[in-house]
Amino acid sequence: AQKITQTQPGMFVQEKEAVTLDCTYDTSDQSYGLFWYKQPSSGEMIFLIYQGSYDEQNATEGRYSLNFQKARKSANLVISASQLGDSAMYFCAMTQMDTGRRALTFGSGTRLQVQP
Amino acid sequence: ETGVTQTPRHLVMGMTNKKSLKCEQHLGHNAMYWYKQSAKKPLELMFVYNFKEQTENNSVPSRFSPECPNSSHLFLHLHTLQPEDSALYLCASSQVTGGGNQPQHFGDGTRLSIL
Repeated sequence: AQKITQTQPGMFVQEKEAVTLDCTYDTSDQSYGLFWYKQPSSGEMIFLIYQGSYDEQNATEGRYSLNFQKARKSANLVISASQLGDSAMYFCAMTQMDTGRRALTFGSGTRLQVQP
Repeated sequence: ETGVTQTPRHLVMGMTNKKSLKCEQHLGHNAMYWYKQSAKKPLELMFVYNFKEQTENNSVPSRFSPECPNSSHLFLHLHTLQPEDSALYLCASSQVTGGGNQPQHFGDGTRLSIL
C-alpha cells in the first residue's frame, strides 16, 4: 500500500519569498509517479508538477520546482517568488506504475497563506 | 468548454432523495475517477473506470452507484445517503495509455450537503 505524509497543516510566507512544502511517501513499487496539486478555496484541483521515480533531474515548471530525494522518499514542492494568488491548499499525491494503476493516493494537504 | 465539467456545483438533499452527479470530460481521456473530499480527511478514491469499464471500487457503500456510459461521461447516482456523506465530490480524467506521467485533470466538484 502507498502512503503520502504531509506534516505541515499550515504555512505562512511573505509575498515574493520562497517556500518549501514537505512531502514524504512510502511505497513498495520500484516505479511510481509523484504529483503536486493546488486547490484554491473554490474547490478545483489544479495540476502543478510531476516527478517520475526514475527521473534523474528535479522537475521544474515556472515558479514551481520539486526537490526529489529518492533515498529519503521525499518530494518537496518549492514555490519561488510567492504571490498572493498562491494562497491555497496544496496536495502531494502518487501513482503506482509497477502495476499500471493510475489512481492517485493523496496526502492530507498543506494550507499555504501568502502575506503581503 | 473547460476540460472536465461537473454538474451541479452544489446539491442539498434529504436522506431519502435520489439524485445524480454528472461529469463530462472534453480531453479525449480514457479513464475517469470519482473522489470524495471530506473535511479534515485526505481525498479518498471511490471508483475508477478505464475504457468505460469499472476497474476499482474502493469499498464504497452501495448507496453510491456509478455509471460510465462512454469514455467522456461519468455519473454518480445517489440514494438514501447519510449525513456523513456530505462532502465535495470530485471527478477526474486521465490518459492511462503511455507513460505514467499523465496527470489527472479535475472538475470543480459538486459540494453535497445531506439534511
